[in-house]
Amino acid sequence: KQEVTQIPAALSVPEGENLVLNCSFTDSAIYNLQWFRQDPGKGLTSLLLIQSSQREQTSGRLNASLDKSSGRSTLYIAASQPGDSATYLCAVNSNDYKLSFGAGTTVTVRA
Amino acid sequence: EADIYQTPRYLVIGTGKKITLECSQTMGHDKMYWYQQDPGMELHLIHYSYGVNSTEKGDLSSESTVSRIRTEHFPLTLESARPSHTSQYLCASSESGGYSNQPQHFGDGTRLSIL
Repeated sequence: KQEVTQIPAALSVPEGENLVLNCSFTDSAIYNLQWFRQDPGKGLTSLLLIQSSQREQTSGRLNASLDKSSGRSTLYIAASQPGDSATYLCAVNSNDYKLSFGAGTTVTVRA
Repeated sequence: EADIYQTPRYLVIGTGKKITLECSQTMGHDKMYWYQQDPGMELHLIHYSYGVNSTEKGDLSSESTVSRIRTEHFPLTLESARPSHTSQYLCASSESGGYSNQPQHFGDGTRLSIL
């Protein structure tokens, strides 16, 4: 059974600092890995999807890397802004479309 | 932009009532999913569907049931609500095709409270 862990559980940084969010998973036989953002009381917004054959994926200030052999992914957010405050979830697709989620990292960016 | 809608957004209801949570998507996606999320915890898959008349139970045991009579509609039903069903329920959908490159798109969720 795939286990997904996100560390740290919470993170507080001053505006402008770069964010580094970590995700690890136990079974390296994955199809893809997806990063989501969740605002309080809301659903999930997809940020990036990395295929198992890819090493990284970029969108604007966001960059996600994937090291499948070691079971790790990292989400980098450059030059953080207060609007980046949210919970970031990592989800691994390793079993026929079904996603296994981590518990998330709650980010607070202080103005 | 993904178009997936869940109603109601919030529901507070008494024990023993029958509840149906609605989920609709306008993207023509074959695959749809229901997740349950308790505050500060992981999402857990409770039901999924690969298409019309196809439904399967997910990894987390749930007393709810689902149906898929139309591609765009995937309602979840609780026949007799209990306080233990209090949670947030999130619906998602994804395209068919290559399993490796189709992201899941989520609705805003239904926050359910059973008194």
